[in-house]
Amino acid sequence: EFVLTQSPDFQSVTPKENVTITCRASQHIDGDLHWYQQKPGQSPKLLIKYASQSISGVPSRFSGSRSGTDFTLTINSLEAEDAATYYCHQTISLLLMAFGQGTKLEIK
Amino acid sequence: QLQLQESGPGLVKPSETLSLTCIVSGDSISSSTYYWGWIRQAPGKGLEWIGSIYYSGSTYNNPSLKSRVTISVDTSKNRFSLKLSSVTAADTAVYYCARRFKWDYFDYWGQGTLVTVSS
Repeated sequence: EFVLTQSPDFQSVTPKENVTITCRASQHIDGDLHWYQQKPGQSPKLLIKYASQSISGVPSRFSGSRSGTDFTLTINSLEAEDAATYYCHQTISLLLMAFGQGTKLEIK
Repeated sequence: QLQLQESGPGLVKPSETLSLTCIVSGDSISSSTYYWGWIRQAPGKGLEWIGSIYYSGSTYNNPSLKSRVTISVDTSKNRFSLKLSSVTAADTAVYYCARRFKWDYFDYWGQGTLVTVSS
């Protein structure tokens, strides 16, 4: 079974902090990885595509990177509106994909 | 602006078939660039991909659900549908429809619809 594991599961942060969320695959499969933000009561919103490509309309404080099989979402100078759950999503083929379990960010 | 809107019963009895439709507006479902998918989220849980369909009717379903899932497309009405058979309480979730860029990311999502399986 192909599994994506995010860390941490939960993080409580203060505004203006820099936050890093990591996503790691259970198998070394070379697939594209994307990041989503989901605020309470809302549908997920695409934040980053293909590990590091930005999405129009998404604030520039959100960025993504890859190092081997580890993928990272970074939020620079966190704002209160960034309180949400963040998911990574890897696509291997039309039939094989997985979402991470989610990382919940709480703003202190 | 592309919009997707899910519709269907909010309550389904155990062992019956869940049926949902996603109406697409602002773009043609017959675009060669996109697939159209269903994703669900159980209460307080993460996201689970159910399946995707291309405008030609080709479908690609999550192997863990495959035998219970039927996804169809109606290009004349610019919509696609989901049927999930033999439902149990474990199928209670918010069901989202979304547009999928090729076999990659989901770039537009519907608002989601809660389906509860209960007698």
